[in-house]
Amino acid sequence: SAVISQKPSRDICQRGTSLTIQCQVDSQVTMMFWYRQQPGQSLTLIATANQGSEATYESGFVIDKFPISRPNLTFSTLTVSNMSPEDSSIYLCSVERGRGGTEAFFGQGTRLTVV
Amino acid sequence: GENVEQHPSTLSVQEGDSAVIKCTYSDSASNYFPWYKQELGKGPQLIIDIRSNVGEKKDQRIAVTLNKTAKHFSLHITETQPEDSAVYFCAASKGHGAGSYQLTFGKGTKLSVIP
Repeated sequence: SAVISQKPSRDICQRGTSLTIQCQVDSQVTMMFWYRQQPGQSLTLIATANQGSEATYESGFVIDKFPISRPNLTFSTLTVSNMSPEDSSIYLCSVERGRGGTEAFFGQGTRLTVV
Repeated sequence: GENVEQHPSTLSVQEGDSAVIKCTYSDSASNYFPWYKQELGKGPQLIIDIRSNVGEKKDQRIAVTLNKTAKHFSLHITETQPEDSAVYFCAASKGHGAGSYQLTFGKGTKLSVIP
């Protein structure tokens, strides 16, 4: 398995502001992933982050709204910019590891409330 | 793209009974099917997975079955205990190795085990 630490675990933010979420992994990984989980809903992939290159965003998500950094092989950040109440969600960091590199492990998530 | 349907959305069982959650997927190229358990306030935890070259896999009280022809897979929990109460997600992926996986999640099943 993998030990993934996310900070902050939760936050309440004013609309129009930005929040940066940090994800730290206990060992080097090639790819890191950011998911959004809206209240009572399933997980939706926001983007895939490789070290040393720009993140790859899924349909419906754009870099201006969710800029991502990946400065090294154990760390990544996701920023939620210009927040609105619709951004209230749990944001989850994930890495892949294991046989064939296909097992995904998740951090505990960041519960964001925008007021 | 891949579409994963999960049923039921909620499930209540008596302690000691069995619980079954079913998922179907649309993309015949998918070959990796993990199941996640998410407890309140925590990130999803991988509990069991199966690859398309296997029809069934068991780990103590948990088992997963896969029918590639019908494109469906199921999670079976026997002798349920109150600590099994959580939201369970199925997922599907076409990943063959590191850097090539992308998970599509079902909408989740809220399992309640009644003491």
